[in-house]
Amino acid sequence: EIVLTQSPATLSLSPGERATLSCGASQSVSSNYLAWYQQKPGLAPRLLIYDASRRATGIPDRFSGSGSGTDFTLTISRLEPEDFAVYYCQQYGNSPRCSFGQGTKLEIK
Amino acid sequence: QLQLQESGPGLVKPSETLSLTCTVSGDSISSSSYYWGWIRQPPGKGLEWIGTIYYSGNTYYNPSLKSRVTISVDTSKNQFSLNLSSMTAADTAVYYCARGSGWFFNWGQGTLVTVSS
Repeated sequence: EIVLTQSPATLSLSPGERATLSCGASQSVSSNYLAWYQQKPGLAPRLLIYDASRRATGIPDRFSGSGSGTDFTLTISRLEPEDFAVYYCQQYGNSPRCSFGQGTKLEIK
Repeated sequence: QLQLQESGPGLVKPSETLSLTCTVSGDSISSSSYYWGWIRQPPGKGLEWIGTIYYSGNTYYNPSLKSRVTISVDTSKNQFSLNLSSMTAADTAVYYCARGSGWFFNWGQGTLVTVSS
């Protein structure tokens, strides 16, 4: 089973700043099959990025994903107030089996 | 527009079996392009994949839960279900059903299940 480790656990930034969230895998993720989700309190996760760098339908272009192998990054180029939430990565390299990271909380500084 | 809705008891006693159903509307559960999954989230914690089923009935489970999990599909009702046996307090969580194709792009709103006597 691939274990995903997200860092930092909490990221404190101000609106307008750039956010960089990391997701590290315990072994190489096949075909860079990695997704990112945003979750706000009381709501289900929302898909942002799949296949490491493809934006899901309706996701603003300030969200971008990159990386390969064992190291992946979600970048939010310029934070909007609605972007403060918890972010999770998910690997599906051995789909339909998958695993999630423990999450990064993006909070307002 | 695809919608998923979880249903089932909000309270389960220790050692009992949890049974949840996910009703799919807006598309057929028999679509061969996708699969259907259960994911849970303990209060204040992260997401945990429980298992996945194809409309054909093929199932895949999280190894850590495999001995206690059964997922089934009822194509005539456009539903799929989760059974989780021998429930303990550690199984208290919001349980989500979702549609996926590697990543999960449609989610239900989730249902909170509390394990308590």
